Amino acid sequence: QQPVQSPQAVILREGEDAVINCSSSKALYSVHWYRQKHGEAPVFLMILLKGGEQKGHEKISASFNEKKQQSSLYLTASQLSYSGTYFCGTEFAGGTSYGKLTFGQGTILTVHP
Amino acid sequence: EAQVTQNPRYLITVTGKKLTVTCSQNMNHEYMSWYRQDPGLGLRQIYYSMNVEVTDKGDVPEGYKVSRKEKRNFPLILESPSPNQTSLYFCASSYGLAGGNEQFFGPGTRLTVL
Repeated sequence: QQPVQSPQAVILREGEDAVINCSSSKALYSVHWYRQKHGEAPVFLMILLKGGEQKGHEKISASFNEKKQQSSLYLTASQLSYSGTYFCGTEFAGGTSYGKLTFGQGTILTVHP
Repeated sequence: EAQVTQNPRYLITVTGKKLTVTCSQNMNHEYMSWYRQDPGLGLRQIYYSMNVEVTDKGDVPEGYKVSRKEKRNFPLILESPSPNQTSLYFCASSYGLAGGNEQFFGPGTRLTVL
């Protein structure tokens, strides 16, 4: 089951904030966030693990609500370089699911001057 | 330089002609994975490998084969390509998803099947 991202697209002015959400219908072990610029490969932003551990870039923040199986990516004081498509990837907990990563459909973020 | 390389970067082929897309990483990563990317569908995992000789199906494995005979290489094989396999393919590697390890993606291979 592919996680659902919202919103599908967001347009910002430089300096504005945005939140991108990722929801799953299945119990999660981890949530991964990546950003992809047009014509390029996805680039790592952050990983959130069940139990509270997080690893990622200092300027990026995110949350993981284990009860609701939801994650949110917080982009504050946006810069032009934040533009791109953001993907969340979910690794489901339990069974033989470890290692299998299912990505959402993406959120297109556009930052204008 | 630490990197994931894919070859070829662009490929146009015809239905039924077997092809292999190579993927190689020089970071001694245990985990490797193949994704396809189609407009509006995001990244979909085809196959992944937790280590040498260990491979598992992702969400869209039909029509693809992989092998992991050595740690650094993870080729994607299309035995009989069809037009619905026209897509952008990414290979990625990691020390392992567990423990919060990031994936490093290759530059992508754009495949067109006529």
